[in-house]
Amino acid sequence: GAVVSQHPSRVICKSGTSVKIECRSLDFQATTMFWYRQFPKQSLMLMATSNEGSKATYEQGVEKDKFLINHASLTLSTLTVTSAHPEDSSFYICSAFSPGEEYFGPGTRLTVT
Amino acid sequence: GESVGLHLPTLSVQEGDNSIINCAYSNSASDYFIWYKQESGKGPQFIIDIRSNMDKRQGQRVTVLLNKTVKHLSLQIAATQPGDSAVYFCAENNAGGTSYGKLTFGQGTILTVHP
Repeated sequence: GAVVSQHPSRVICKSGTSVKIECRSLDFQATTMFWYRQFPKQSLMLMATSNEGSKATYEQGVEKDKFLINHASLTLSTLTVTSAHPEDSSFYICSAFSPGEEYFGPGTRLTVT
Repeated sequence: GESVGLHLPTLSVQEGDNSIINCAYSNSASDYFIWYKQESGKGPQFIIDIRSNMDKRQGQRVTVLLNKTVKHLSLQIAATQPGDSAVYFCAENNAGGTSYGKLTFGQGTILTVHP
């Protein structure tokens, strides 16, 4: 089946710094990718829809200036958490949509100290 | 239900038993439903899906039942194995069947299988 990768798998950063997370579709082109956030023992919450070549669409309550999304190619979307704070510590998961199915990445564990 | 809670429901079963995991959804316009398995520290893994024009679909050791009248979805796992231990999420989509992105995830259930 289709494969989606994320990099890094784990990252620890200091409060106030920015962190970039990459999401790649390895064997198919994805015009649409999605970014989710998952806190411990909770469900996945959609943050934004990343569209290749256009601006991302953010869900209500998600700050677009804090969570910068760039979908520069059909196989890569990046999420940058700017000025990270401890409350941004979470598991960030991307998915890539290919007609018929949505494929999830393995997730990135972000810890802000 | 669809609300996100701090305490996921849990289900403990013995190896070899059948497991039934339930999910309630709130959007009557949803037309596509998926069950995912998530192991600790990993992304969701597709298990089985069902469209709203069906009420039952079977896969290998798994069966999904959809009751649109009461907006209820269930996942049945036959002969549960220790490797089935994980968190199980239902997800729904209501994009008119033309696009399957932008899923809404349910609360999740922790399944623990004891040898």
